[in-house]
Amino acid sequence: AQSVTQLDSQVPVFEEAPVELRCNYSSSVSVYLFWYVQYPNQGLQLLLKYLSGSTLVKGINGFEAEFNKSQTSFHLRKPSVHISDTAEYFCAVTTTDSWGKLQFGAGTQVVVTP
Amino acid sequence: EAGVVQSPRYKIIEKKQPVAFWCNPISGHNTLYWYRQNLGQGPELLIRYENEEAVDDSQLPKDRFSAERLKGVDSTLKIQPAELGDSAVYLCASSTGRANTEAFFGQGTRLTVV
Repeated sequence: AQSVTQLDSQVPVFEEAPVELRCNYSSSVSVYLFWYVQYPNQGLQLLLKYLSGSTLVKGINGFEAEFNKSQTSFHLRKPSVHISDTAEYFCAVTTTDSWGKLQFGAGTQVVVTP
Repeated sequence: EAGVVQSPRYKIIEKKQPVAFWCNPISGHNTLYWYRQNLGQGPELLIRYENEEAVDDSQLPKDRFSAERLKGVDSTLKIQPAELGDSAVYLCASSTGRANTEAFFGQGTRLTVV
């Protein structure tokens, strides 16, 4: 079985500052990794995904993430945040033998202040 | 193109009462998921359908929860009777089911059991 750990439950950040959200996973088989964003009272929207190939993945809204197999990590970054990036961010994993069954982390709340 | 549609958006019921949630997936998406998201946590899979067949319902509490997707399109999730601990957001998602494609989420139904 796979699992996901998001190391920070809340990350406060000033507008135009960079942000990094940490995600570690565990799995005995190959994984596919995702980052989703959830705005208040909304469903989840896909930011980016890693399936194979380049370990640096670029997503929407200026976000990017890097897959590090040796460290079993998939950290999310944005060089300059906006107020509108205030939201909950979820890291999720699925595996090659259970495609479609997403295992989510507990989430990281990002609060951007002026 | 319309996204995943869920109704109702909010529901408040007394404990021991029944409740039902409805989901209409994106047109052409064969795979449908129901997730439960408790406060401050990531979503957890309850059941996954491939067309009208439930292919993974291992996390569905079958003593009080039931789900159906009779024609392989829209789906209903029911709780009877509801308990206080069932208060959560119930998310529906759909995907094409093909490998390397992501799931798209609806806005969810927020259930409060009092």
